Amino acid sequence: EAGVAQSPRYKIIEKRQSVAFWCNPISGHATLYWYQQILGQGPKLLIQFQNNGVVDDSQLPKDRFSAERLKGVDSTLKIQPAKLEDSAVYLCASSLEEGSEQYFGPGTRLTVT
Amino acid sequence: AQSVAQPEDQVNVAEGNPLTVKCTYSVSGNPYLFWYVQYPNRGLQFLLKYITGDNLVKGSYGFEAEFNKSQTSFHLKKPSALVSDSALYFCAVSPGGGRRALTFGSGTRLQVQP
Repeated sequence: EAGVAQSPRYKIIEKRQSVAFWCNPISGHATLYWYQQILGQGPKLLIQFQNNGVVDDSQLPKDRFSAERLKGVDSTLKIQPAKLEDSAVYLCASSLEEGSEQYFGPGTRLTVT
Repeated sequence: AQSVAQPEDQVNVAEGNPLTVKCTYSVSGNPYLFWYVQYPNRGLQFLLKYITGDNLVKGSYGFEAEFNKSQTSFHLKKPSALVSDSALYFCAVSPGGGRRALTFGSGTRLQVQP
């Protein structure tokens, strides 16, 4: 079974630039999550999708972050414009259904200079 | 709001000795509890979960965890540590029922010395 795929693995941008991350979940997994993991901290949920609908985006900074999951499969997370404090690893995860264990991708390490 | 505390930033143990990584939580209702492990340059891997039933749950790689409702704890244990167990361990909780967003602890680095 293929795992959660993410790209790119690394990205370096300057502040005020925009960036996009892509995630392809495990086939058949209805629930998809984006997390932000700042160095030395645990992952923090940014947004949760159930199929192509948003379940929870309460911690997503909506003035600069956006995410979509068209067709209920893969997903993109965008930051525009980026700030220095957005430097982090962005993790995508998927689960068969809400409440079941989540499977994580390798993450995208973003550095904003 | 739910929260998770992992009181130890790092745990050091000798190979072959038992290990415990501590976790306490705060959540309304009956919790769903998880342990994940993160190896360098790799994503988080699921170890085990507690939803209901037996308070002692067994997971991958010989790890187990004990749910203690009165102490609101979910400590991770292993009878005999291996050097290859050295990694970053995260405890996570979500409230049972309804929408179940996970809240993670800050992580505990386990160092197993040969």
